[in-house]
Amino acid sequence: DSGVTQTPKHLITATGQRVTLRCSPRSGDLSVYWYQQSLDQGLQFLIQYYNGEERAKGNILERFSAQQFPDLHSELNLSSLELGDSALYFCASSVGLQGSDTQYFGPGTRLTVL
Amino acid sequence: AQTVTQSQPEMSVQEAETVTLSCTYDTSESDYYLFWYKQPPSRQMILVIRQEAYKQQNATENRFSVNFQKAAKSFSLKISDSQLGDAAMYFCAYSQIYNNNDMRFGAGTRLTVKP
Repeated sequence: DSGVTQTPKHLITATGQRVTLRCSPRSGDLSVYWYQQSLDQGLQFLIQYYNGEERAKGNILERFSAQQFPDLHSELNLSSLELGDSALYFCASSVGLQGSDTQYFGPGTRLTVL
Repeated sequence: AQTVTQSQPEMSVQEAETVTLSCTYDTSESDYYLFWYKQPPSRQMILVIRQEAYKQQNATENRFSVNFQKAAKSFSLKISDSQLGDAAMYFCAYSQIYNNNDMRFGAGTRLTVKP
């Protein structure tokens, strides 16, 4: 158990809909990351927040957005969903921003868009 | 841009034997971090081992060790005395030294362990 929690574990929805994925980082971690893993592929970095502020963006679509709240939990919002958005979405957290700060991953949310 | 390449989509090993998974990367940085993550069927991403580029000594964690060749930009993972529980996808990853917000992952190697 990494200490990072994600809800829900599974989500099934239809095209055009909007969903929210939730992540709670490990106790003491200020940095949260979101990744997308499509079927049998590597992880693609989406976005990072540090202590409530957006720090970096990766390959995140404009239909996707995220935020980190004062209690440090984070939410990833996916809207106008398409079939290709079906994937495993991981949240990770780390203490800080340094390369030495290991990222610990949550169990992921599996999103299926029908 | 930094890239990470895992050239072995699939590998198999007999239980109790040793297997080596390959990883190469491309970077112009002199200092950075390299990681191996394991993703079992549960899909959880589990950190296996970490290497700091400025340390010449290869990292080891119990049955897991790396062969870090900085000049060749190679970072292979050796699993000794393979166990059935080692069966998983293994991902090699690269992180810059001063910020970790752009961790790059390879495509992964699926390891099968035969009893």
